[in-house]
Amino acid sequence: LAKTTQPISMDSYEGQEVNITCSHNNIATNDYITWYQQFPSQGPRFIIQGYKTKVTNEVASLFIPADRKSSTLSLPRVSLSDTAVYYCLVGGRYKLSFGAGTTVTVRA
Amino acid sequence: EAQVTQNPRYLITVTGKKLTVTCSQNMNHEYMSWYRQDPGLGLRQIYYSMNVEVTDKGDVPEGYKVSRKEKRNFPLILESPSPNQTSLYFCASMIPRSSGGDTQYFGPGTRLTVL
Repeated sequence: LAKTTQPISMDSYEGQEVNITCSHNNIATNDYITWYQQFPSQGPRFIIQGYKTKVTNEVASLFIPADRKSSTLSLPRVSLSDTAVYYCLVGGRYKLSFGAGTTVTVRA
Repeated sequence: EAQVTQNPRYLITVTGKKLTVTCSQNMNHEYMSWYRQDPGLGLRQIYYSMNVEVTDKGDVPEGYKVSRKEKRNFPLILESPSPNQTSLYFCASMIPRSSGGDTQYFGPGTRLTVL
């Protein structure tokens, strides 16, 4: 199971872009990178997933460099409702660990 | 509506009184899992099940039991709850894809307090 490292917290303001980088130096060849979002007292919610290069959906973008040892979740033009904890997961199809995640606080 | 449901959502109990937290999913997912969440520790996996009658331990299985007799249900059993099992519990389900790009769907959580 690849270990991931991400910042504990980040602050931002409404309308700004937020980038959260996750390090996963021992990612395996077949591992995917998945990001989840969690609001207080709710279950985590899938945001985006990728294997290499760039993935974009209606919520976020995920940038993965060629060596795949890190990935960056990009949240464009955040709003107050994007205040949440963001988790980076790598590999581990059945036995999963979420870690402490990154608490993103968006201020007006 | 596709969803994972948990019951009860809130529970206060006393040490040693057996309890069961139910989890049910209507998406025909083969894989289900239980997590606990404690401040500063993120989500830690308790048990998971890859299919009916197939279960395995996660990172923190001590003090918990599970069973998977039907695909849609995966109850979490605390035979003799202790105060250190006070936590927020989440159930999740997913369909593992051969490509490895899996997505988990989480329930709303059960907040358990053991006095």
